[in-house]
Amino acid sequence: EPEVTQTPSHQVTQMGQEVILRCVPISNHLYFYWYRQILGQKVEFLVSFYNNEISEKSEIFDDQFSVERPDGSNFTLKIRSTKLEDSAMYFCASSEGGLAGGRAETQYFGPGTRLLVL
Amino acid sequence: SQQGEEDPQALSIQEGENATMNCSYKTSINNLQWYRQNSGRGLVHLILIRSNEREKHSGRLRVTLDTSKKSSSLLITASRAADTASYFCATGGTGNQFYFGTGTSLTVIP
Repeated sequence: EPEVTQTPSHQVTQMGQEVILRCVPISNHLYFYWYRQILGQKVEFLVSFYNNEISEKSEIFDDQFSVERPDGSNFTLKIRSTKLEDSAMYFCASSEGGLAGGRAETQYFGPGTRLLVL
Repeated sequence: SQQGEEDPQALSIQEGENATMNCSYKTSINNLQWYRQNSGRGLVHLILIRSNEREKHSGRLRVTLDTSKKSSSLLITASRAADTASYFCATGGTGNQFYFGTGTSLTVIP
């Protein structure tokens, strides 16, 4: 069964460093998402991406964050200058369609990347 | 805020019993999804119910949706130890993002 994959599974970085989290969405999916979950807290939406551009983003997704689909399979989240409070589990998700897309909008999540900023 | 809120926060039952979790939300939704998360792991999609649906079944799972009360429930019948996990509802509104609740931590005792 196709699944979303994420690399690395764990990343430790120093405050101020740039990190890139990678995701490979399910191959026929058109919508991609990043969420994060700070330890013990809710899963929070960061950004959605469709047709090579951001379609929605939350207040959390400030100028420190960027997303990219550099090729036909990868979807990346870059944090330019990490802060201690960026420590969290980051989940990538993908869906075949979106709400207005006329296709299934169920979002399938990857296993997550646990980011620790020291 | 559109975020769902689950209750109870924690639920402990014996294997074989049924588990019921509830989710309430605040604004209009287009759909609602339930996810399971094992400790420290990713989110597994369980079921999606649309705003024009009242009930859906999937195996041992039964989900209801009452849009007039802005609430949903997830029933797991004949629970197993492997059902031990956190369960989240996620509400989708006019956009494509989902808003997750704080989750119900379910423990099924063998």
